[in-house]
Amino acid sequence: DAKTTQPPSMDCAEGRAANLPCNHSTISGNEYVYWYRQIHSQGPQYIIHGLKNNETNEMASLIITEDRKSSTLILPHATLRDTAVYYCIVSAPIAAGNKLTFGGGTRVLVKP
Amino acid sequence: NAGVTQTPKFRILKIGQSMTLQCAQDMNHNYMYWYRQDPGMGLKLIYYSVGAGITDKGEVPNGYNVSRSTTEDFPLRLELAAPSQTSVYFCASNRPGSTEAFFGQGTRLTVV
Repeated sequence: DAKTTQPPSMDCAEGRAANLPCNHSTISGNEYVYWYRQIHSQGPQYIIHGLKNNETNEMASLIITEDRKSSTLILPHATLRDTAVYYCIVSAPIAAGNKLTFGGGTRVLVKP
Repeated sequence: NAGVTQTPKFRILKIGQSMTLQCAQDMNHNYMYWYRQDPGMGLKLIYYSVGAGITDKGEVPNGYNVSRSTTEDFPLRLELAAPSQTSVYFCASNRPGSTEAFFGQGTRLTVV
């Protein structure tokens, strides 16, 4: 699986958009970009995924650059409950198990 | 649905003792995984299974064993516990072809 690089931490003001960058310059053509988050040592929670098109769901938006070497997770209106560690993961779903490789993630602190 | 259920939530073991961490899911997922998370670090894959009777090693399998006799259950066995196995253990599951993995709430294990 391709390696990802994320900033170790970032702060965000409550109510503002939070833009979380991720670099994955060695991504392969069949690899997806996944985002998970982990709130206060709970089990990780799936947020969103994409292959090459931008994606949006009720939690967030995912913007993937045209060359697919980087992406940005956007939390449109951050709340205090969005304080968490956010993991960007690149992986190819395969028949033998969709194994996720977690890096260090970005620790996001949403401030009032 | 309960999702992914892990027991126990907390456990203290003495060096050399053994124990089994239980994981059960009620979503009829074929794929199941065990991860460990050391303080301040990302999750590392220990073992995974793509179906009953099939298991395979992940990134850090030494000191652990697994079995998968049913679709629902995926227990993790620690033999001869060592202080290096002090960690939080997460079980996860997903369907083949699905991009969303569901995680349990974790088992916090301390070996003294």
